[in-house]
Amino acid sequence: ILNVEQSPQSLHVQEGDSTNFTCSFPSSNFYALHWYRWETAKSPEALFVMTLNGDEKKKGRISATLNTKEGYSYLYIKGSQPEDSATYLCASGGGADGLTFGKGTHLIIQP
Amino acid sequence: NAGVTQTPKFQVLKTGQSMTLQCAQDMNHNSMYWYRQDPGMGLRLIYYSASEGTTDKGEVPNGYNVSRLNKREFSLRLESAAPSQTSVYFCASKRRTALSGANVLTFGAGSRLTVL
Repeated sequence: ILNVEQSPQSLHVQEGDSTNFTCSFPSSNFYALHWYRWETAKSPEALFVMTLNGDEKKKGRISATLNTKEGYSYLYIKGSQPEDSATYLCASGGGADGLTFGKGTHLIIQP
Repeated sequence: NAGVTQTPKFQVLKTGQSMTLQCAQDMNHNSMYWYRQDPGMGLRLIYYSASEGTTDKGEVPNGYNVSRLNKREFSLRLESAAPSQTSVYFCASKRRTALSGANVLTFGAGSRLTVL
């Protein structure tokens, strides 16, 4: 069982501000790092999958980076909007035995 | 394209009752998973099936059994429900992304189970 940790646990951000949060994971036997977006009363949806050290992914105002040597990934949101309010999950693994998830960062965007 | 379908969406059980959560996917995925989500705990893997005909324990398998009926369906059974099994259960299946080769999970809508 991998130990995947996310920080902070929750975050309040003013609309228009940029923010970022962290996922740390074991760097040994690394396979892939996933980010999911989870809105209340919905199911998690994949944002990014990264496999290579130095990977950077971007989707609109959201981007992510990966450092497999030190075992961390950052998720950035530029110019936060109310619709960005959600829980952001990271997960490591991805081989046949599935993913191990962190506990998530609960992001609230305040108008 | 329905994706991953779970039933029921809600269920209330008494302690000691049994029930089965059903999951089906229509994406021709090989691997399927059952997770539970509890406040402050994130998603924890209960059981998974890497391919039709195989099942394996995840992080929290006690009190559950699973059946991979065919490639499409993966069911989770509670033989004697306990209050500690009150949770939201998510079924997921895995596809392979075109660019990275890593496997992304597609989740069902969740099943909220309360055990009294």
